[in-house]
This record gives sequence, C-alpha cells and structure tokens, in this order.
Amino acid sequence: SALTQPASVSATRGQAVTISCTGTESDIGSYKFVSWYQQYPGKAPKLIVFDVTNRPSGVSSRFSGTKSGKTASLTISGVQPEDEALYYCSSYSSSFEVGLFGGGTQLTVL
Amino acid sequence: HVQLQESGPGLVKPLETLSLTCSVSDGSVSSTNHFWGWIRQSPGKGLEWIGYIYFIGTTSYNPSLTSRVSISVDTSSNQFSLRLSSVTAADTARYYCARVVGHYSNYGRPHSYYYIDVWGKGTTVTVSS
Repeated sequence: SALTQPASVSATRGQAVTISCTGTESDIGSYKFVSWYQQYPGKAPKLIVFDVTNRPSGVSSRFSGTKSGKTASLTISGVQPEDEALYYCSSYSSSFEVGLFGGGTQLTVL
Repeated sequence: HVQLQESGPGLVKPLETLSLTCSVSDGSVSSTNHFWGWIRQSPGKGLEWIGYIYFIGTTSYNPSLTSRVSISVDTSSNQFSLRLSSVTAADTARYYCARVVGHYSNYGRPHSYYYIDVWGKGTTVTVSS
C-alpha cells in the first residue's frame, strides 16, 4: 500500500502551494511520523520535513508541514523556480515495519 | 556529517543475484539511534522501500520483496549490504542506501521507522542478459 499524493501541482512564482498526502488510520491518521522529501532529476531525495512539522537544519522556512486526520500536507510559501521538483511523503505504519511512501508529486513553477 | 556511498555491479543478468554495498563515512553503523536501509526507484517511478537493518543484525523488509532480499551489516568495516536474488527486468532501478532514523525495542515490534535523514547518491542497476 502507498500513501496517496496528487501526481502534479503547479503554482505561480511567489504564490503558496500545498501538496497533500492521504493515508489511513494505520499510518498518518494515528502517528506523528510523517516526513517529506524533495527530489531533483537525477539526484537523491532530500529530507525537508520530519515528524509532521519539523525542518532539518538548512531547509528553508518556506517549507512547512501539517497534518489533519489521515491527511498530511506540505506547504511551500512564496514558491521559487528552484522549488520545481518531485516531492514525496512518507509515514510510519503500524502495518508495515518499513513504512510507506507516497507516489510523488511533481511541482511545476509557472 | 555522515556520507553514504553505494558500490556494486551496474549490470546483472536475469535470475542472478544483485549485490550492493554501502560504505558509511563520518558516522557509524553501530549507532543505536539509526537503521541502515535500501530504497529503490524504477525509471520514471516513485520510491520503493526494500528494507533496513539495525546494527545487531535485525531486519525489516518490504513484504513484496521479503522472499528474495537479504540485508546484512558489517560493523568492522562500517558497511552494510543488499542482496536481491532471482532478479528480473522489473528490478532495474536506481538503488539508494540511506540512514534511517527510528526506534529499536526489545519488546513487541522491534523496529519503528520515523524518517530518512541521509541518502547516498544512488547507483543504477540494470537487469539484462
């Protein structure tokens, strides 16, 4: 099973954009271990949010995470051209020890 | 900061065994706060967990791969390894090793995955005769 993300989103430079990640009561709905990763073409993913809302050192404050019920969200405020990338969510799961990934969302900056 | 580097053959024949090693530098695979894992990404596809290991040798695998996968750790050389048997074209992918933040417990469920904080650059493995 995988978490559900929209395949693509787009935003105009300077606007805010939100990417959703929907799971179940066995993962996002019951636990605070949601993480988000940014991936550029040909590069490894990079952690940008962990434990739903926390940012690693060095990650822009324009990235923020939230959770409501079974859906987690990543919001990028003031979208910049360099934010154009693939974004993946991930979560702890009580059903799968390895956890779950979402299918990924391609962000296009217009 | 911790760095991870994958190594191994870039081409594997069908039905043979894929073997990769991840070398850890500026960190220790004996860390009690981390697991060491493998994730793959097929061309044009999303991320897929293969599995991860704790330094004492306990493992967690993706249920869809568990019959073919084995992850091991060598604390003396600060490396961990992946073996995936009976490969097919569907196993062609970019393979990433990673440091996993999680929790190990001696009671109940031993492994809990929280997030991946360090990724290797990845290595492409093609399955073809």
